[in-house]
Amino acid sequence: QVHLVESGGGLVKPGGSLRLSCTASGFRVSDYYMSWIREAPGKGLEWISYIGGRGGAIYYADSMKGRLTISRDDAKNSLSLQMYSLRAEDTAIYYCARDVRGGFDSWGQGALVTVSS
Amino acid sequence: SSELTQPPSVSVFPGQTARITCSGAILSTQYAYWYQQKAGQAPLLLIYQESERASGIPERFSGSSSGTTATLTIGGVQAEDEAHYYCQSGAVGGLYYVFGSGTQVTVL
Repeated sequence: QVHLVESGGGLVKPGGSLRLSCTASGFRVSDYYMSWIREAPGKGLEWISYIGGRGGAIYYADSMKGRLTISRDDAKNSLSLQMYSLRAEDTAIYYCARDVRGGFDSWGQGALVTVSS
Repeated sequence: SSELTQPPSVSVFPGQTARITCSGAILSTQYAYWYQQKAGQAPLLLIYQESERASGIPERFSGSSSGTTATLTIGGVQAEDEAHYYCQSGAVGGLYYVFGSGTQVTVL
């Protein structure tokens, strides 16, 4: 059974950093493109980054480019998202999700990140 | 433009048909995907590659596309279908994904 669990969310001050993790079970993350997607309060979904397949291709959305590092640990079957220079507008629920045929067929429960002084 | 536009809200009586559109130039070259999101829950994939139903999704959910507009149709709407619905484009240039603005479906 496919399962994704995010961890690492919390309260961080503006300008601070935070690292989110996503642990997968039921499949190997190295076999799929895996993405991080966020949902800000009262706003819609926004894709922010992926790491993909055996080659480990990486891409970031322009909105957070330069402030994110995505990585994968195949031994732990997990991925991480390191976020830097956080701003109030980065406050959101952050989801990891698996890409199958171009759509996201499995999602974690989300990790809440609150950026506030 | 890499935007996907959806109507903010759609209201429908139980048993009627709800149609949600998603418009954007990206859709002329990329498939559309559809998600349902209920309050406090993660999104659920309903439709992939424009018209294919994801595993376990009821037949009353269907997708279609023409030109730069994709449509999610919910036939015989039920109270449990009240949720936010989002469209999404396939990876543009293989690089990034775009989500629509979202549509709140209210079952009257």
